[in-house]
Amino acid sequence: EIVLTQSPGTLSLSPGERATLSCRASQSVSSGSLAWYQQNPGQAPRLLIYHASSRATGIPDRFSGSGSGTDFTLTISRLEPEDFAVYYCQQYGSSPQTFGQGTKVEIK
Amino acid sequence: EVQLVQSGAEVKKPGESLKISCKASGYSFTSYWIGWVRQMPGKGLEWMGIIYPGDSDTRYSPSFQGQVTISADKSITTAYLQWSSLKASDTAMYYCARNIAAAESPRDYWGQGTLVTVSS
Repeated sequence: EIVLTQSPGTLSLSPGERATLSCRASQSVSSGSLAWYQQNPGQAPRLLIYHASSRATGIPDRFSGSGSGTDFTLTISRLEPEDFAVYYCQQYGSSPQTFGQGTKVEIK
Repeated sequence: EVQLVQSGAEVKKPGESLKISCKASGYSFTSYWIGWVRQMPGKGLEWMGIIYPGDSDTRYSPSFQGQVTISADKSITTAYLQWSSLKASDTAMYYCARNIAAAESPRDYWGQGTLVTVSS
């Protein structure tokens, strides 16, 4: 099973700042099969990025993903108030599919 | 419009059985994998398993194999997650979600979640 480790656990930033979230895999993720989700309190997760760098339908271009192999990054170029949430990475190239433990982006 | 509507919250006792549902609409139910994700209180997401309603091919995470059963009824475009004997540790929010495409693909549409509470 591929273990995904996200860092930092919590990111304290102000609106308008840039957020950089990391996701590191215990072994290479097949074909860049990595996704990022956003979850707001009391809501279901929302798909942001898939195939490491492809934005899902309707996702603003301030969200971008990069990386390959074992190291992946989600960048939010300028934080909007609605972006303060928990973010999860997920690998779906190897069974069982696994999620990282999450990074909380909070208002500083 | 794609929609996944889950059944309501449940409160059960340890040892009881339970089946929760996820009603799909707005797309071809038999053409997409659909699965379940667990979120224990205050914790992260866990992939439980998926089913392809077209032929009922089902795959489980080893952590959940033998603990739950995933099924689907294509006549009413509904997926299910069931337990034969609940434990207190099954207390969690459960989400159904549709895969974008293949079994090895991310989830693009999610249900609203079903909260299951198991307590004596």
